[in-house]
Amino acid sequence: AQSVTQPDIHITVSEGASLELRCNYSYGATPYLFWYVQSPGQGLQLLLKYFSGDTLVQGIKGFEAEFKRSQSSFNLRKPSVHWSDAAEYFCAVGGGFGNEKLTFGTGTRLTIIP
Amino acid sequence: NAGVTQTPKFQVLKTGQSMTLQCAQDMNHEYMSWYRQDPGMGLRLIHYSVGAGITDQGEVPNGYNVSRSTTEDFPLRLLSAAPSQTSVYFCASRRTGLPEQFFGPGTRLTVL
Repeated sequence: AQSVTQPDIHITVSEGASLELRCNYSYGATPYLFWYVQSPGQGLQLLLKYFSGDTLVQGIKGFEAEFKRSQSSFNLRKPSVHWSDAAEYFCAVGGGFGNEKLTFGTGTRLTIIP
Repeated sequence: NAGVTQTPKFQVLKTGQSMTLQCAQDMNHEYMSWYRQDPGMGLRLIHYSVGAGITDQGEVPNGYNVSRSTTEDFPLRLLSAAPSQTSVYFCASRRTGLPEQFFGPGTRLTVL
């Protein structure tokens, strides 16, 4: 069965500091991987996705993520966070045709301090 | 395109009441799904559909019914609401074979 682990429930960083959110997955084949962001009271917005090819993927709002098959990881990074990045971040793993389900991690809440 | 729309935005029910959460998409996506979001548990799949007339259970289906009579609509029915169903419900859709999902804005449901 596919699963996602986000080991950090809550992270606090200073504005302007770098950020890395961890995500580990379990999937029997090449996974499709996603990072979503959810601002308070809002729906989920797709930050970036990995399907195949270059293992370093760029997303919106200056975020990037690196797929490391050997470590079963897909960590999200940003070199310099802004106060508006405060939100909850979800990693998700899914399959393609024939495996339609998307499995989410439990989320990491990001707090930005001035 | 309006994308994925959900109604209502907020709802309060009493235990035992029934209601239907509406979800519609205008992107002609074959695949639609319902998730519930609870603190510390991420999003959990309730039911999903790979096309009109085809539905299947997800991770937490008990207490919920779905049907898919058209490509556009995928309503979620609570036949007898329970306090354990207090949650935020998200509908999502995507094209079959492309796993990127598009989410609606959510419905916040409280069952007293």
